[in-house]
Amino acid sequence: DAGVTQSPTHLIKTRGQHVTLRCSPISGHKSVSWYQQVLGQGPQFIFQYYEKEERGRGNFPDRFSARQFPNYSSELNVNALLLGDSALYLCASSLGGPQVRKQFFGPGTRLTVL
Amino acid sequence: GQQVMQIPQYQHVQEGEDFTTYCNSSTTLSNIQWYKQRPGGHPVFLIQLVKSGEVKKQKRLTFQFGEAKKNSSLHITATQTTDVGTYFCAVTDSWGKLQFGAGTQVVVTP
Repeated sequence: DAGVTQSPTHLIKTRGQHVTLRCSPISGHKSVSWYQQVLGQGPQFIFQYYEKEERGRGNFPDRFSARQFPNYSSELNVNALLLGDSALYLCASSLGGPQVRKQFFGPGTRLTVL
Repeated sequence: GQQVMQIPQYQHVQEGEDFTTYCNSSTTLSNIQWYKQRPGGHPVFLIQLVKSGEVKKQKRLTFQFGEAKKNSSLHITATQTTDVGTYFCAVTDSWGKLQFGAGTQVVVTP
């Protein structure tokens, strides 16, 4: 079975630009979460979606937005990019629902903002 | 929200030695998960602990949840070069949102 897939793998943008990152969860998984991982730190929670509804939002500015599609894939959008947005963006999927479940992470998108 | 502190941040281990990494919280944790991230890779789920005093083993890895559910540990015996990476503990809420510790970066010397 395919794991979580993310695209693109690498991206270089300049300050002020907009970026869209994509994630496809494991087949059958209905929950997708997004995390930002700055070099040398643990991943920081950005958003969680379950059954196309937002179930959680981390402490990130409104420049960050996301959505989940009927096929459970998801997009993360970041507007007005700042140098500090340079990071590895990880998508994680799980079966979801109000239970504690293990998360399956994708390989990530490495975003560099110049 | 629940926050966890991990120590040490960095662990240099000789191959064949044992080591332990710790995850501590000032509040009672509902559960804890451990992940491993290889250099250049992504976090991979290792284990989930839910019960007070729970101990789980995976080959050379032993995971423990404290009696008061305020701390957890990961002990690796006879370290191998394949153990290189960063080990994170994380707390989840009921919907699966993960709050990660800062991680313990493990370097193994042959």
